[in-house]
Amino acid sequence: NAGVTQTPKFQVLKTGQSMTLQCAQDMNHNSMYWYRQDPGMGLRLIYYSASEGTTDKGEVPNGYNVSRLNKREFSLRLESAAPSQTSVYFCASSGQGIQGNTIYFGEGSWLTVV
Amino acid sequence: GDSVTQMEGPVTLSEEAFLTINCTYTATGYPSLFWYVQYPGEGLQLLLKATKADDKGSNKGFEATYRKETTSFHLEKGSVQVSDSAVYFCALSTTGGYNKLIFGAGTRLAVHP
Repeated sequence: NAGVTQTPKFQVLKTGQSMTLQCAQDMNHNSMYWYRQDPGMGLRLIYYSASEGTTDKGEVPNGYNVSRLNKREFSLRLESAAPSQTSVYFCASSGQGIQGNTIYFGEGSWLTVV
Repeated sequence: GDSVTQMEGPVTLSEEAFLTINCTYTATGYPSLFWYVQYPGEGLQLLLKATKADDKGSNKGFEATYRKETTSFHLEKGSVQVSDSAVYFCALSTTGGYNKLIFGAGTRLAVHP
C-alpha cells in the first residue's frame, strides 16, 4: 500500500543549483498536485495536473516547472534554486477531478537552499 | 477568493480534556470541507470530511459539522490523548471543476499527560 511516494526526502542545494523532485502514485488517480508548506502559512498549491498530459499553475508557481510524465508520475523541477524556495514539498493525488474527492499526500521532501 | 481561517495555536491541553479547533471559510458556491492531520515528520492524512451543509464528518473520536449559515467547520474531540498531538489543517475543496484544496495555516495541538 505505497500510495504517494516522493523522493528525495531530504536535500540541501546551493543557490543557483537545479534539482527535480520525483513523485509517483499507485492508486490510478487522474489528478496530481505539488504543494509547499511554510511555517504559519499552511500548504500552498504550486502546480497541479488534472489529468495525464495537462498541467496548470497554482497559487505560487514562480521558480518551478512540472512534468506529468505519465498517469503515475508528476515531477517538480527547480531550475535555479533560491533561498526562498527552502520549504517542505508535498506531492498529492486524487481521483476524478470532482470536488470532494479525497486528496492523498506523500510524506514530504525537506529542501534547504543555502 | 476562497480562503480558510483557523484559530492560531499552539493549543495546549491535558489528557482527557475537551478539544475545539475553530475553522471558518469563505467560498463561492458549495465547497467540500476537510480536516487533515500532520504528525511530526510525516505527511498529511485525511482525518474527516463533509461534502454538504449539515453533514457531520467523524473519525477516531473527532467530529466536525458543516455549518453553512456560519461558514464554519469546527473540529471537536471529547477527550484528547497524548497521541493526538499533531498539527491540524482545515481545508476546502474549490468549486468549479478541478479538485484543489485551499488550506488554513494549521493549528498545533500539544497534549500533556
